[in-house]
Amino acid sequence: GESVGLHLPTLSVQEGDNSIINCAYSNSASDYFIWYKQESGKGPQFIIDIRSNMDKRQGQRVTVLLNKTVKHLSLQIAATQPGDSAVYFCAEIYTGRRALTFGSGTRLQVQP
Amino acid sequence: EAGVAQSPRYKIIEKRQSVAFWCNPISGHATLYWYQQILGQGPKLLIQFQNNGVVDDSQLPKDRFSAERLKGVDSTLKIQPAKLEDSAVYLCASSLSSPYIKTEAFFGQGTRLTVV
Repeated sequence: GESVGLHLPTLSVQEGDNSIINCAYSNSASDYFIWYKQESGKGPQFIIDIRSNMDKRQGQRVTVLLNKTVKHLSLQIAATQPGDSAVYFCAEIYTGRRALTFGSGTRLQVQP
Repeated sequence: EAGVAQSPRYKIIEKRQSVAFWCNPISGHATLYWYQQILGQGPKLLIQFQNNGVVDDSQLPKDRFSAERLKGVDSTLKIQPAKLEDSAVYLCASSLSSPYIKTEAFFGQGTRLTVV
């Protein structure tokens, strides 16, 4: 089926630690993936994307890893800050479709 | 660069009433999406437009939901009549995606609909 799911609904980390948010996707035809951050009362905000011809991409304090063999995606946030507290969604687009399919989200709580 | 604009921000209506949401995408973005986000869940696509044509409306409850994108710019989403289960945030997004390239979608702040 076409589903994108997450392993952990809530992740609590200490400020300054690194965070890892995981996502499993089921559609092997997916070829483009995005991580979004959604703060309360706001729309999803783009963080980073990765295409299926890559296995790693880095941004500012964030890294996305893609393992197509096991259909797994992860978002790593370095030196997590209180402003990183939000719900994080992975989303995919698969061949033949142009709209994003979202997972259910992981809430990241950063403890001071 | 101006983002995706949506209005109203909040709406409370009684069941069986009708409601309409408006979206103005980022200038130059040919692709426009409407998503429904129920509390605690990820956004679910309702309809996708490419310019003023519908690309995907397979998950739109067509017996009560309708959407249009006149002149390939602004879009409206209507619900008539509303049901309690329509309570959600309705997100509009736009992107430069085409049949040849996929890009990220930019989202508006959404309209929070409460049906009582």
